Amino acid sequence: DAGVIQSPRHEVTEMGQEVTLRCKPISGHDYLFWYRQTMMRGLELLIYFNNNVPIDDSGMPEDRFSAKMPNASFSTLKIQPSEPRDSAVYFCASSLAVGRGVGYEQYFGPGTRLTVT
Amino acid sequence: AQKVTQAQTEISVVEKEDVTLDCVYETRDTTYYLFWYKQPPSGELVFLIRRNSFDEQNEISGRYSWNFQKSTSSFNFTITASQVVDSAVYFCALSETTTGNQFYFGTGTSLTVIP
Repeated sequence: DAGVIQSPRHEVTEMGQEVTLRCKPISGHDYLFWYRQTMMRGLELLIYFNNNVPIDDSGMPEDRFSAKMPNASFSTLKIQPSEPRDSAVYFCASSLAVGRGVGYEQYFGPGTRLTVT
Repeated sequence: AQKVTQAQTEISVVEKEDVTLDCVYETRDTTYYLFWYKQPPSGELVFLIRRNSFDEQNEISGRYSWNFQKSTSSFNFTITASQVVDSAVYFCALSETTTGNQFYFGTGTSLTVIP
């Protein structure tokens, strides 16, 4: 069974450009999470969805960040305009809901390493 | 306040030594879940174990073992006879039923196993 798929794996862009990160969760999972990891701030939760509906976006740094989940098998995280301080590894993760399956843990994708110059 | 504390930032051990990674958590929920993840140098986050608050049995999986103690709010992870491949950053995480599937991650412990 395929795990969480993220694309691209690496993205290098110039300041001011729009960046779109993509995620395909594990089929059948109810929850989808977007995280950002940096040396300074560690692993931060940006936003998460339940059944395609955003539940908590309080971790989104500012209005330049937006996330969508148009269907159960696809989500995007967009940064517009990008800034050098957005450089980080962005992870997508998915999980089942409590009581729905034997696993409650989050499964992570390989991450997208974003560099904004 | 931090819900999950991993006080050890970096640990170095010589191969074949045993090492314990500490994790202390804080919650008011009676039902909650604890997790450990491994992040090797390649960068992916790999799920290792889940433990729910009603199951205080210790778990062993090969060279890995976990000690869950509600009395001290700790969920420690021990690697026996460490190997170079164990070198990674290890994260402990907490999930509370009152906050849904949201995870609270610790800051991680970087383990280096020296050959």
